[in-house]
Amino acid sequence: GEDVEQSLFLSVREGDSSVINCTYTDSSSTYLYWYKQEPGAGLQLLTYIFSNMDMKQDQRLTVLLNKKDKHLSLRIADTQTGDSAIYFCAESNNRDDKIIFGKGTRLHILP
Amino acid sequence: EAGVAQSPRYKIIEKRQSVAFWCNPISGHATLYWYQQILGQGPKLLIQFQNNGVVDDSQLPKDRFSAERLKGVDSTLKIQPAKLEDSAVYLCASSLGQRGPYNEQFFGPGTRLTVL
Repeated sequence: GEDVEQSLFLSVREGDSSVINCTYTDSSSTYLYWYKQEPGAGLQLLTYIFSNMDMKQDQRLTVLLNKKDKHLSLRIADTQTGDSAIYFCAESNNRDDKIIFGKGTRLHILP
Repeated sequence: EAGVAQSPRYKIIEKRQSVAFWCNPISGHATLYWYQQILGQGPKLLIQFQNNGVVDDSQLPKDRFSAERLKGVDSTLKIQPAKLEDSAVYLCASSLGQRGPYNEQFFGPGTRLTVL
């Protein structure tokens, strides 16, 4: 079945760029997402990308998609303490509305 | 606009007891989802409603879990009897019900269940 994998932890110094990586297995994935979850809160959609796109930029966020390798990344420029959270990679396809989530990457900001 | 509301925020019960969670989606959202998020995992879909009908409940452990959305608005998720492995955060989400990324799911804050 579909699977989404991502590393569990990432530590970055404040002001540096954070890069969170993700791989997925479903070759028919149509949409790929990045969600952010802060402590005690639900998930917030940060950004998404269509599978026919290679890159999407939104302010400090850059999403890169390598469809051939089924690899998705999220780059956060000028990482701030408020970016400390768990980031979930997710995918869905045209067959149904089901979103498959990875286990999440906990981003820790070092002073 | 008001977000997805859930209650209670926290619940502690003993195994074999029953528990119920409540969700009020964003007004006008046709689709409602219940997810289970075990510590260290991503959310896993338990059940999806379109208005008051079930679209997908393939991952719902039907021997102990039940959910309803009688009037197509609020929803309740019940566990009876609870097991230790049911300890998790139960997230409710809602969406307009359109296909594609514009069918953004908006998540509530979740109910953290601890089964002792």
